[in-house]
Amino acid sequence: AQSVTQLGSHVSVSEGALVLLRCNYSSSVPPYLFWYVQYPNQGLQLLLKYTTGATLVKGINGFEAEFKKSETSFHLTKPSAHMSDAAEYFCAVSDSGGYQKVTFGTGTKLQVIP
Amino acid sequence: DADVTQTPRNRITKTGKRIMLECSQTKGHDRMYWYRQDPGLGLRLIYYSFDVKDINKGEISDGYSVSRQAQAKFSLSLESAIPNQTALYFCATSDIEQREQFFGPGTRLTVL
Repeated sequence: AQSVTQLGSHVSVSEGALVLLRCNYSSSVPPYLFWYVQYPNQGLQLLLKYTTGATLVKGINGFEAEFKKSETSFHLTKPSAHMSDAAEYFCAVSDSGGYQKVTFGTGTKLQVIP
Repeated sequence: DADVTQTPRNRITKTGKRIMLECSQTKGHDRMYWYRQDPGLGLRLIYYSFDVKDINKGEISDGYSVSRQAQAKFSLSLESAIPNQTALYFCATSDIEQREQFFGPGTRLTVL
């Protein structure tokens, strides 16, 4: 069975400050890992994904995440927060086999303070 | 035009009514999914379909049914709606190569 834990349901940062959203996963097989963003009244859209290869993954809008197998973590970071980053962020894990069942975390709402 | 569309976008109904939510996609993906989103609970999988002849229950399928009418269409039905089915419902698609899921805009369902 696979699972995802997102630490902190709400995170507040000042505009220009570092954004760090935490995600830990468990998986019995090598995982595929994703971060999605949901803006108000919209569906989820992919920020970035890790499948294989380089463990530091760069995504859209200046976000990146690092896969750390030893820590079973896939934390999302952005060096400098913008007001437009205010949204809800979901971490997700998928098995690397053909089944591709995806399990989502409970989400972290990011507030950016001017 | 949106790749994944959902109708209706909003629906208010009464307890006991039958409701159908529809999803269409133009991405050409075989795999389609229905999720519900509740505050603090993230997204939970209701049903998923890997092709027209393959339908599978997710973690919270009780009270729901689905129909895969074609590769591009996947409908979710609530046979007899109850208030705790009030939620935001999302349809998603994926292909076996890219892995990521593509989401529709959601249907906000309120059951009174």
